[in-house]
Amino acid sequence: DQQVKQNSPSLSVQEGRISILNCDYTNSMFDYFLWYKKYPAEGPTFLISISSIKDKNEDGRFTVFLNKSAKHLSLHIVPSQPGDSAVYFCAASGSGAGSYQLTFGKGTKLSVIP
Amino acid sequence: DAGVIQSPRHEVTEMGQEVTLRCKPISGHDYLFWYRQTMMRGLELLIYFNNNVPIDDSGMPEDRFSAKMPNASFSTLKIQPSEPRDSAVYFCASSLGRGGPGELFFGEGSRLTVL
Repeated sequence: DQQVKQNSPSLSVQEGRISILNCDYTNSMFDYFLWYKKYPAEGPTFLISISSIKDKNEDGRFTVFLNKSAKHLSLHIVPSQPGDSAVYFCAASGSGAGSYQLTFGKGTKLSVIP
Repeated sequence: DAGVIQSPRHEVTEMGQEVTLRCKPISGHDYLFWYRQTMMRGLELLIYFNNNVPIDDSGMPEDRFSAKMPNASFSTLKIQPSEPRDSAVYFCASSLGRGGPGELFFGEGSRLTVL
C-alpha cells in the first residue's frame, strides 16, 4: 500500500501559466515533506520542502502548500517554464530516528508547452 | 565538488548472472541509501546505512539482494542470481543527516536490464 500518492501520472501546462502538482499521504506520523525533480537519465534533485508545523513554504517560482487535516500537499510553479518539464516526486519522512528515510510517490510528469 | 557517483550507468545481463552495482557517496555524508525505480512502483527504498552500518533493509525484495558498505566512501548492491523482474533503475543517494531530515543527493542511477 502506497503511503504517498501522486494520482496524476502526467500534467501539461502552457508556458507562463501555473502548474499545480498534487500529493496525498496516509501516514499521520509523517513530519516533513519534500519535492524532488527528475530529468531523464539523471537522478532526482531536491526542489523544496516543508515541515508539518507550516502550511506554506515559498522559494522563488516554487511554493509548497500543506493541508495536514486533509493529508494533502501541493506544489505550485508560477510562471511555468519549458525547463520545468520533468518528473516531480513528492516525498515524506517521519521524525526522530526515521527522519532520514524518505517515502516517495510514483511521480507526476510535467510538460510545459512553449 | 563531486556528487554521488554510481557505476555502471548501464548494465545488460542474462538471467542467473550476478550483478554488482557500485556507489561512492558525497564525502562527509553519514547516510547512504539504495533506491529502485520502476514504472509500477516508483521509487522504493531498498536499504539504508548510517555511518556504514545497515539500519533498515526491510525494502530488500529477496535474499537474492544484498548490500554492503565496507567504508564511508563505498557501497555495493549485489543481485545474485538476477532475474528479468529485477530490471529497473537503481539509485544511490547520500545525506548529511544532521539537524533534521535533510535532502538526499542522488547519483545518476544504474539502469539494469536482465534478459
